[in-house]
Amino acid sequence: AQSVTQLGSHVSVSEGALVLLRCNYSSSVPPYLFWYVQYPNQGLQLLLKYTTGATLVKGINGFEAEFKKSETSFHLTKPSAHMSDAAEYFCAVSPGYSNQAGTALIFGKGTTLSVSS
Amino acid sequence: NAGVTQTPKFRVLKTGQSMTLLCAQDMNHEYMYWYRQDPGMGLRLIHYSVGEGTTAKGEVPDGYNVSRLKKQNFLLGLESAAPSQTSVYFCASSYSHLGGPKAFFGQGTRLTVV
Repeated sequence: AQSVTQLGSHVSVSEGALVLLRCNYSSSVPPYLFWYVQYPNQGLQLLLKYTTGATLVKGINGFEAEFKKSETSFHLTKPSAHMSDAAEYFCAVSPGYSNQAGTALIFGKGTTLSVSS
Repeated sequence: NAGVTQTPKFRVLKTGQSMTLLCAQDMNHEYMYWYRQDPGMGLRLIHYSVGEGTTAKGEVPDGYNVSRLKKQNFLLGLESAAPSQTSVYFCASSYSHLGGPKAFFGQGTRLTVV
């Protein structure tokens, strides 16, 4: 069975500091991996995703993530945090094949990012 | 505009009342999903559908029923609401699987059961 673990339910950084949000997954098949962001009282927005190919994935708003199969990780980073980055971030995994049991995304529990000035 | 529309956006129910949440998509997607989001729990799959007339249970299906009578609509029903069902509900739809290139989430329905 697939699962996602996000390390740290809350992360606090200063404006301009590096953002690192950690995600580890377990999957018996090559996974598709995702990061979503949710701003307060809003829906989910896709930041980036890894399917196949290049393991370093660039997303919107300056975020990127690296798929490391040997570490079963997909950590999200941003070199310099902005106040507008304050939100909740979700890592998710999908087996990526279209059968009835495997079509849905499995989400981590989320990490709330706070950015202070 | 193409997308996923959830109705209503907010609702307050009394314990024991029933209600139906509607999810509508105009993209001819085969796959539709209902998730619930609770603090510290992320999003958990309630039910999903891989086509008109078909539904299946997800991770947390108890207390909910669903129907997919029309391809564009996926209904989530609460027959007898309980305070534990206070949550934010998200609907999603996709062309193939939710990890595929054409996957959309609705804006959510905030439900409070008192």
